[in-house]
Amino acid sequence: EPEVTQTPSHQVTQMGQEVILRCVPISNHLYFYWYRQILGQKVEFLVSFYNNEISEKSEIFDDQFSVERPDGSNFTLKIRSTKLEDSAMYFCASSDVGMNTEAFFGQGTRLTVV
Amino acid sequence: DAKTTQPPSMDCAEGRAANLPCNHSTISGNEYVYWYRQIHSQGPQYIIHGLKNNETNEMASLIITEDRKSSTLILPHATLRDTAVYYCIVRALSGNTGKLIFGQGTTLQVKP
Repeated sequence: EPEVTQTPSHQVTQMGQEVILRCVPISNHLYFYWYRQILGQKVEFLVSFYNNEISEKSEIFDDQFSVERPDGSNFTLKIRSTKLEDSAMYFCASSDVGMNTEAFFGQGTRLTVV
Repeated sequence: DAKTTQPPSMDCAEGRAANLPCNHSTISGNEYVYWYRQIHSQGPQYIIHGLKNNETNEMASLIITEDRKSSTLILPHATLRDTAVYYCIVRALSGNTGKLIFGQGTTLQVKP
């Protein structure tokens, strides 16, 4: 069964460093998403991406965040200068075209900022 | 996006049916009801979705009331591996986004 894959599974970084989280969405999907979940809290929407551009972003997704689809398979989330409060699980998801479709999630990257 | 209300927690005996309720009284006509679950901080897992008819797949059944203001997710024979947080989400597709807005969900504990 096709799945969304994310790497790395765990990333530790120093405050102020840049990190790139990587995702390989399901191959025929056209919509891509990033979500995050701070420990003990709910899953929060960050950004959606379609047709090589951001289609919607939340207020969490400020200028420190960016997304890119550098080639035909990868979808990345970059955090330019990490803060302690960026520590969270980051989930990538993808979905097919149309309203009546489900989004599939990866297993997440645990980001720890020290 | 329409808001959903779910009980914070429920217990279920292993082998019995688990019935998880969800209220979505402000749902719009073009909004679908989606159910996801999250097992111990893993990525959310899609379970089922529907618009107005009842739906069944290999994982669960979804019963939506005629007025669409509430729904019930049914796991027919719960196992210990079904212990998870279950999210009922009303999915509005504004433009091309299709984002999911997660609430706190219902923590289902399946007990032996």
